[in-house]
Amino acid sequence: DAGVIQSPRHEVTEMGQEVTLRCKPISGHNSLFWYRQTMMRGLELLIYFNNNVPIDDSGMPEDRFSAKMPNASFSTLKIQPSEPRDSAVYFCASSLSNFQPQHFGDGTRLSIL
Amino acid sequence: SQQGEEDPQALSIQEGENATMNCSYKTSINNLQWYRQNSGRGLVHLILIRSNEREKHSGRLRVTLDTSKKSSSLLITASRAADTASYFCATDTGANSKLTFGKGITLSVRP
Repeated sequence: DAGVIQSPRHEVTEMGQEVTLRCKPISGHNSLFWYRQTMMRGLELLIYFNNNVPIDDSGMPEDRFSAKMPNASFSTLKIQPSEPRDSAVYFCASSLSNFQPQHFGDGTRLSIL
Repeated sequence: SQQGEEDPQALSIQEGENATMNCSYKTSINNLQWYRQNSGRGLVHLILIRSNEREKHSGRLRVTLDTSKKSSSLLITASRAADTASYFCATDTGANSKLTFGKGITLSVRP
């Protein structure tokens, strides 16, 4: 079975550029989560969706970050404009429903120069 | 804010030994989950224990939960080099169904 698929796996771009990260959740999963992982702060939840609707975006750092889920099989996380402090590994995860274990993609390693 | 905190931060053992990792948390939970992360990969769910459960087993894994002490432990028996990874506990408090992860324990199993 295909797991959670994220693209790109690596992204290197210059400060000020727009960055778009993509995620395809596991088919049939109703919850989708975006996380950011850094050495300093560990794994932080940015936003999560239930049935394509954003439920909690309190972890989104600031207005430069936005996330969408136009349908059940696709989500994007956008950073515009990007800054060096956004450098991190960004993970997408999905689960069948609330309270169920989460399945993670292998992440996008983002470097902002 | 950090809900779960793992202890120790790093653990190095010999293959065949048992590894015990601990997690403490601050508020009441619905369930507690343990995940593993291999280098350069995403997290993989290992086991979930509900607040009304005290112990759970899955293969070489044994998880205990003590809600009175707000703590959990993960025991890996007869460790293998392939168990080398970071291990995270995550708590589900039921508030908006979010999981809060600890910072993880780095386990190294020497062949």
